[in-house]
Amino acid sequence: AQTVTQSQPEMSVQEAETVTLSCTYDTSESDYYLFWYKQPPSRQMILVIRQEAYKQQNATENRFSVNFQKAAKSFSLKISDSQLGDAAMYFCAYRSADNYGQNFVFGPGTRLSVLP
Amino acid sequence: DGGITQSPKYLFRKEGQNVTLSCEQNLNHDAMYWYRQDPGQGLRLIYYSQIVNDFQKGDIAEGYSVSREKKESFPLTVTSAQKNPTAFYLCASSTLTGGRFYGYTFGSGTRLTVV
Repeated sequence: AQTVTQSQPEMSVQEAETVTLSCTYDTSESDYYLFWYKQPPSRQMILVIRQEAYKQQNATENRFSVNFQKAAKSFSLKISDSQLGDAAMYFCAYRSADNYGQNFVFGPGTRLSVLP
Repeated sequence: DGGITQSPKYLFRKEGQNVTLSCEQNLNHDAMYWYRQDPGQGLRLIYYSQIVNDFQKGDIAEGYSVSREKKESFPLTVTSAQKNPTAFYLCASSTLTGGRFYGYTFGSGTRLTVV
């Protein structure tokens, strides 16, 4: 079974600075998806970024980018120019590309605080 | 606008009562899911459904029941057999586009409290 680990329960960053959240996962599959979701205090889950394992190029979405290291099974999220609105729980998630009966495997989350 | 609507936002249950949480989507998504989130914790899968009239248990299905009579709707009933139902419940949906998966769309959640 796949597992997702986020080794940093809490992190903080100064406004306008850069922060990196770590995620590692365990799988024997070669084709899969990885995601970062953000859960602000409103508790609405918001998709931040998506990565397909067969694509070597790291995904980016504005100030958010990932460092995807397939061999190391690592998928870290970098937030540049941090803003107060980035304060939230961040969940890393894995899903197999086998489209039958597959669900997300979520990590335990990292709580990010942004300091003014 | 397409999305997922969960209702109610807050729900209070007395001991021994069954309550039903509503989840409706107008995204034409095939699959729907229910997750439970306890304070400071991650998400745990309760039930999921990939097609109408079919659903499967997730990791923590005991004390819960679901139905999927329509593609748009996936209600969750929290029964009296669920001994610790106080939690935040999230509904999600997904579909495949061109055979690829683009993630879940989540509802805004229901906060259930036992009184």
